Amino acid sequence: SAVISQKPSRDICQRGTSLTIQCQVDSQVTMMFWYRQQPGQSLTLIATANQGSEATYESGFVIDKFPISRPNLTFSTLTVSNMSPEDSSIYLCSVQRLADSSYNEQFFGPGTRLTVL
Amino acid sequence: GNSVTQMEGPVTLSEEAFLTINCTYTATGYPSLFWYVQYPGEGLQLLLKATKADDKGSNKGFEATYRKETTSFHLEKGSVQVSDSAVYFCALTKNPMDTGRRALTFGSGTRLQVQP
Repeated sequence: SAVISQKPSRDICQRGTSLTIQCQVDSQVTMMFWYRQQPGQSLTLIATANQGSEATYESGFVIDKFPISRPNLTFSTLTVSNMSPEDSSIYLCSVQRLADSSYNEQFFGPGTRLTVL
Repeated sequence: GNSVTQMEGPVTLSEEAFLTINCTYTATGYPSLFWYVQYPGEGLQLLLKATKADDKGSNKGFEATYRKETTSFHLEKGSVQVSDSAVYFCALTKNPMDTGRRALTFGSGTRLQVQP
C-alpha cells in the first residue's frame, strides 16, 4: 500500500475564493486521481492527474474550475476556484501503483472536507 | 460505459446477525472488483478485491465472490459487530491487462448500522 496525506484536512471558505488542496504520497506512484464526494453521496471522479502534462478531466469538470498540477510522481494539487456553496464536499486524492499490482487497486488519502459559506 | 448498482440503505442489523450487501455491475470484459469501507469521519479503506471470475476476496471476516455469470460481487459477513457500522462502496475498474481509463467507478454506497 501507500501512505497518502492531504492538506488541509478541512476548511471553511467564503464564496468567490479559491482553495488549493495538496496530496503527498510516501513513494512514487503511476497514477493519481482526484475524486469528489458530495454530502451523503458516492464518489465522482474529477480528473486524472498526469505527471508533467495537463490533467484529464471527466465530463462535467473543467480546468478553469478545478486546475490540477502534478509536478512529480509523489505530489499533486487540486484547486477549487471561485467557490460556491455547491462546491461543499469532501475531496479525495487516490493513487495507483501499476508496476506491482495485478488488481488495479487504488488507495485513498484521508480527504479534505470543504465547506463554502 | 461501466456502472455499479448497490442495494439501497441504510441496512440495520443486530450484533452477530448475517450481512449481505448486494452489488451488480455493468462492464465490458473482465473488470477488477472491489469493496471499500468508509468509517464515520474517515477516508476510504480498501476492504477486499477480486480480479477474475470465481475469485473470492476476503478480509476481516467479510467475503465477496466475483460472479461473472450474474455480474455480481455481493458482500457478506457471517456475524457483524457494532464496529462494522460504516458506509460500504462497491467499485470496479478495468482489468490490469486492459488499456484505457483506470479510475474507479463506484456504486452509491450502502450505510450499515449495527445495533448492540
